[in-house]
Amino acid sequence: AQKVTQAQTEISVVEKEDVTLDCVYETRDTTYYLFWYKQPPSGELVFLIRRNSFDEQNEISGRYSWNFQKSTSSFNFTITASQVVDSAVYFCALSNYGQNFVFGPGTRLSVLP
Amino acid sequence: DGGITQSPKYLFRKEGQNVTLSCEQNLNHDAMYWYRQDPGQGLRLIYYSQIVNDFQKGDIAEGYSVSREKKESFPLTVTSAQKNPTAFYLCASAGTGPTDTQYFGPGTRLTVL
Repeated sequence: AQKVTQAQTEISVVEKEDVTLDCVYETRDTTYYLFWYKQPPSGELVFLIRRNSFDEQNEISGRYSWNFQKSTSSFNFTITASQVVDSAVYFCALSNYGQNFVFGPGTRLSVLP
Repeated sequence: DGGITQSPKYLFRKEGQNVTLSCEQNLNHDAMYWYRQDPGQGLRLIYYSQIVNDFQKGDIAEGYSVSREKKESFPLTVTSAQKNPTAFYLCASAGTGPTDTQYFGPGTRLTVL
């Protein structure tokens, strides 16, 4: 069965600090996809990134970066120089062929001014 | 603009009443999904549809019903059989199925009085 664990329920940082959100997944399939979504206070989930299981290259997009390590089944998300606007709940998700998305429980990030 | 719309944004219902939540997308996506989110919790799948006139139950389908008569529309009815319907409901759509990126609407917050 598929499972996504986000062990950090809540994180608080002060603006300009770097913060890493952890995501650990379980799947028996060799082909799968991993996602990160952001849910700001308004409620809508905003898609951030999709990564397939064959692509372990890390990715950077502005202040956001993602570290995918199959050896540890982790897909961690780092925000560099955090800003107040980064305050949100962040969800990691997993899907593979024939299965629907499995979302992690989410990590609530609070960035304090 | 392409996207997913959900209406209404807020909905109040008396106990014992059925209520229908609207979800429309103009992204030409085949697959559509309904999720429920309780305060401080992750997302749970209610129903999904990968093609018009076909849909499948998710993890928590009891007390809910859906229809998919048009590609663009996937309304969710919360019936009186749903014992605890107060929650935030999110609709999503995806291009080709389980592994494609899901994009979300703004959500409907349902409160039972």
